[in-house]
Amino acid sequence: DQQVKQNSPSLSVQEGRISILNCDYTNSMFDYFLWYKKYPAEGPTFLISISSIKDKNEDGRFTVFLNKSAKHLSLHIVPSQPGDSAVYFCAASARSSGSARQLTFGSGTQLTVLP
Amino acid sequence: GAGVSQSPSNKVTEKGKDVELRCDPISGHTALYWYRQSLGQGLEFLIYFQGNSAPDKSGLPSDRFSAERTGGSVSTLTIQRTQQEDSAVYLCASSLTRQGALGSPLHFGNGTRLTVT
Repeated sequence: DQQVKQNSPSLSVQEGRISILNCDYTNSMFDYFLWYKKYPAEGPTFLISISSIKDKNEDGRFTVFLNKSAKHLSLHIVPSQPGDSAVYFCAASARSSGSARQLTFGSGTQLTVLP
Repeated sequence: GAGVSQSPSNKVTEKGKDVELRCDPISGHTALYWYRQSLGQGLEFLIYFQGNSAPDKSGLPSDRFSAERTGGSVSTLTIQRTQQEDSAVYLCASSLTRQGALGSPLHFGNGTRLTVT
């Protein structure tokens, strides 16, 4: 049972245009969401996060939107640059008993920004 | 460097052999995680260490998998009697505090690509 779903395995966008990466989740207990970016042969790197008390968080060219009622979040990159080409993972976590929070990851979306 | 270091970067082993994967977290990071990514899949949680607390082993797929963290720093993931389905990229990550605390995202190493033939 996939609790975090990224239904688009790939996305191609022209340089300078907006990239929109989507993520859906099923667990209503999730209250913290993150996006990670991964280049080939490297580990994922943290990009941006959002708490469930917000519906938008912006950091430079990257904005994450959260729609709790739809259990949906999206990452907007504008303007897109060729260096943004990578696999983007959506991740979510829930406050749970004990000291640990586990991140549940989606399967990733390969973004290709065409020059 | 100051990042999470994993070794080896690649490991090819024969089915049935044991393997050990090593992770050196960022100095001062108290939380350490192991994930794996199989082909075409997302990252799958395996095990979590936080300070001196008992590890959260809830993600280990079978009793052939074990991990330890010595002295609160270096961690070793051991897979006994490897099977072909164990082939994956094994990623280690650390964070300054317990994962999920706002402002404390995971820092990943580059992973170990394990191939079981």
